[in-house]
Amino acid sequence: DAGVIQSPRHEVTEMGQEVTLRCKPISGHNSLFWYRQTMMRGLELLIYFNNNVPIDDSGMPEDRFSAKMPNASFSTLKIQPSEPRDSAVYFCASSVADTQYFGPGTRLTVL
Amino acid sequence: GESVGLHLPTLSVQEGDNSIINCAYSNSASDYFIWYKQESGKGPQFIIDIRSNMDKRQGQRVTVLLNKTVKHLSLQIAATQPGDSAVYFCADRRREYGNKLVFGAGTILRVKS
Repeated sequence: DAGVIQSPRHEVTEMGQEVTLRCKPISGHNSLFWYRQTMMRGLELLIYFNNNVPIDDSGMPEDRFSAKMPNASFSTLKIQPSEPRDSAVYFCASSVADTQYFGPGTRLTVL
Repeated sequence: GESVGLHLPTLSVQEGDNSIINCAYSNSASDYFIWYKQESGKGPQFIIDIRSNMDKRQGQRVTVLLNKTVKHLSLQIAATQPGDSAVYFCADRRREYGNKLVFGAGTILRVKS
């Protein structure tokens, strides 16, 4: 069975550029979560969706970050404009009940 | 140079020994708890979970113990193997916050052969 799929796996961009991270949740899962992991702050929840509707975006750092879930099988996390402090590993996770299953992550480097 | 960031506790065990990784949580309203394993360059991998109406749950080579009185969670790994080397995270969920998990900082497990 395919797990959570994220793309790209690695992204290197320059400050000021727009970055779009993509996630395909596990088929049948109705909740989707975006996390950010850094050495300084550990694993932080940015936003989560239930049935494609954003439920809690209190973890989104600022207006430069936005997330969408146009359908049950796809979500994007966009950073515009990107800054060096956005460099981190971004994880997507999905769940149908309590257990969240994580994707492999996207390692973002903003120069 | 000086390293900056979270200083994760490290547990070093000999191959074949049992490992116990501990975690404290703060909110007595937490109703669900989960352990993840994260290997270098990979996403967190689900290991085992437990609800607040239980105090023990066993899986394959792993056991989770929950002590609600002192708000403490532990993960026991039997016969630790080199492949168990990773960072282990506990997380808890507070029902009033919906499906959000709050993660601990993590513990590094190193297995010596």
